[in-house]
Amino acid sequence: AQKITQTQPGMFVQEKEAVTLDCTYDTSDPSYGLFWYKQPSSGEMIFLIYQGSYDQQNATEGRYSLNFQKARKSANLVISASQLGDSAMYFCAMKGGGADGLTFGKGTHLIIQP
Amino acid sequence: NAGVTQTPKFQVLKTGQSMTLQCAQDMNHNSMYWYRQDPGMGLRLIYYSASEGTTDKGEVPNGYNVSRLNKREFSLRLESAAPSQTSVYFCASHVFGGQTGSPLHFGNGTRLTVT
Repeated sequence: AQKITQTQPGMFVQEKEAVTLDCTYDTSDPSYGLFWYKQPSSGEMIFLIYQGSYDQQNATEGRYSLNFQKARKSANLVISASQLGDSAMYFCAMKGGGADGLTFGKGTHLIIQP
Repeated sequence: NAGVTQTPKFQVLKTGQSMTLQCAQDMNHNSMYWYRQDPGMGLRLIYYSASEGTTDKGEVPNGYNVSRLNKREFSLRLESAAPSQTSVYFCASHVFGGQTGSPLHFGNGTRLTVT
């Protein structure tokens, strides 16, 4: 069984600071993918970034990067130069090789303060 | 480019009533999913359909049924709604369930309240 743990229920960060959202995972699948989604107050799920278990380099997408430490089973999301529009719920999720979709963590509620 | 479309967006039911949540995707994806989101619980998988003609239970299937009507459409039915089914429901699709490297695409959700 797969498990995702997000230990920060909520975070307050000053605008323009960098933010690290923690995510640890557990799986017995040798091949898996790790995803981060953003859910603003409007409710939609927005895909941010993906990291494959065999990828040698950490994934980056604009201001988002994924700090992937395979031995520690962690996949932290880093947001550089935070903006007010980054205020949202953030979910870490994992997918194995089966067809049963993503396993989600409980999320982190990020609030960016001016 | 609609992606994943869910209807309705909001619904209020009385205990014991039934309803069907509709979902359709236009991306020619093989796999489709129903999740529910509750405060502090993240998203939990109710049912999924790896391909047209197949459905399987997820983590929290009790009280729900699904139908994969065709490749585009995947519906979720509550036969006798209970207050514990008050939640936000998301439909999602994936190009191919066994592939790890592409994201799930989500609809905008249905907010269901059971009184």
